[in-house]
Amino acid sequence: DGGITQSPKYLFRKEGQNVTLSCEQNLNHDAMYWYRQDPGQGLRLIYYSQIVNDFQKGDIAEGYSVSREKKESFPLTVTSAQKNPTAFYLCASSIRDLGNEKLFFGSGTQLSVL
Amino acid sequence: AQSVAQPEDQVNVAEGNPLTVKCTYSVSGNPYLFWYVQYPNRGLQFLLKYITGDNLVKGSYGFEAEFNKSQTSFHLKKPSALVSDSALYFCAVRDAAFNKFYFGSGTKLNVKP
Repeated sequence: DGGITQSPKYLFRKEGQNVTLSCEQNLNHDAMYWYRQDPGQGLRLIYYSQIVNDFQKGDIAEGYSVSREKKESFPLTVTSAQKNPTAFYLCASSIRDLGNEKLFFGSGTQLSVL
Repeated sequence: AQSVAQPEDQVNVAEGNPLTVKCTYSVSGNPYLFWYVQYPNRGLQFLLKYITGDNLVKGSYGFEAEFNKSQTSFHLKKPSALVSDSALYFCAVRDAAFNKFYFGSGTKLNVKP
């Protein structure tokens, strides 16, 4: 069953703690993305990666870090420097062929601060 | 820079009536436009896209969207709304140069029986 798997579904972070959100895809997509969703603000791009071992900052990268060591995996770490991390985090992937481009999304991780 | 705007936070419509969810865009170059739907606590699902060709694009679940270049709009439409269409709808634009996608703020659609 092809798709994008995000885990955990719910995550709680203590003050000063780093937490990592998992994103795995078996769609053989080159590009992967992390978005943050806050009520009334839509989706904002945190980081994106077009190929393995390469990634770029999006519009709100401060306080976050990523890695892309494997094509299938694009984990997001929310560091202690992110002072307002409570949000719904969405991972997505896409292919790059002209005419077939569209995003496929995981089911999201809700991160809350204890 | 690429951007989309959804001027309505919420749209209310009665079941069986036609619905429209509005989106306007600002792009440099050719527009690559998308509509996605989100149900509570879930990821987004693709509905339809405009790349080139006919201005009326048909998508999933009976939805369609009309691309209007002169008005820079890409409104989502459905001839007859269902209660099950109630969800959050996002318009998006793709920056082809960097393969990045920008989303609007979302419109909550409420379809009442």
